[in-house]
Amino acid sequence: AQTVTQSQPEMSVQEAETVTLSCTYDTSESDYYLFWYKQPPSRQMILVIRQEAYKQQNATENRFSVNFQKAAKSFSLKISDSQLGDAAMYFCAYRRDDKIIFGKGTRLHILP
Amino acid sequence: GAGVSQSPSNKVTEKGKDVELRCDPISGHTALYWYRQSLGQGLEFLIYFQGNSAPDKSGLPSDRFSAERTGGSVSTLTIQRTQQEDSAVYLCASSPASGGAYNEQFFGPGTRLTVL
Repeated sequence: AQTVTQSQPEMSVQEAETVTLSCTYDTSESDYYLFWYKQPPSRQMILVIRQEAYKQQNATENRFSVNFQKAAKSFSLKISDSQLGDAAMYFCAYRRDDKIIFGKGTRLHILP
Repeated sequence: GAGVSQSPSNKVTEKGKDVELRCDPISGHTALYWYRQSLGQGLEFLIYFQGNSAPDKSGLPSDRFSAERTGGSVSTLTIQRTQQEDSAVYLCASSPASGGAYNEQFFGPGTRLTVL
């Protein structure tokens, strides 16, 4: 069965600094999708970035980028120039067909 | 509507009562998902609807949980004889279709259920 592991329950970063959130997953499939979602206190889950497993190039969305290591089954999220509005729970998710599996999340604190 | 909506936003109930949680997906989205998010946990898949196909109920934790989707749109999650361990945030998400390269899930704000 597929699993998604986020080993950092909480992290803190100084405003304007860079932080990396870790995610590893386990699967025997070769074709799948990976996502990072942000959940602020409003509870609204927001898609931050996605990666197709067949693409070698790491996805980037403005200040957000991923380091996708398919062989190592690792999918970390890097947030550059951290802003106060980045404070939230971040969930890593794996998708194969219609099944999506989420990690337990990392709570990110931004220190002013 | 502009996004997925859920009602009520918060629900407090007594142990043993039944509750109904509602989800209005984005118009035209054929796929609809229910998740449960317990305190300090990730999202736990409950049930999935895709068009007119039979729903995938593999995530429902017990037979006290059921869900239906009327007319391929609005969905209701029902929890019968609620227990304290049912307390959680229940999230609904919709998606344009199943599978595919860019079928992002759009989430609602969730319903926080508290069972006293």
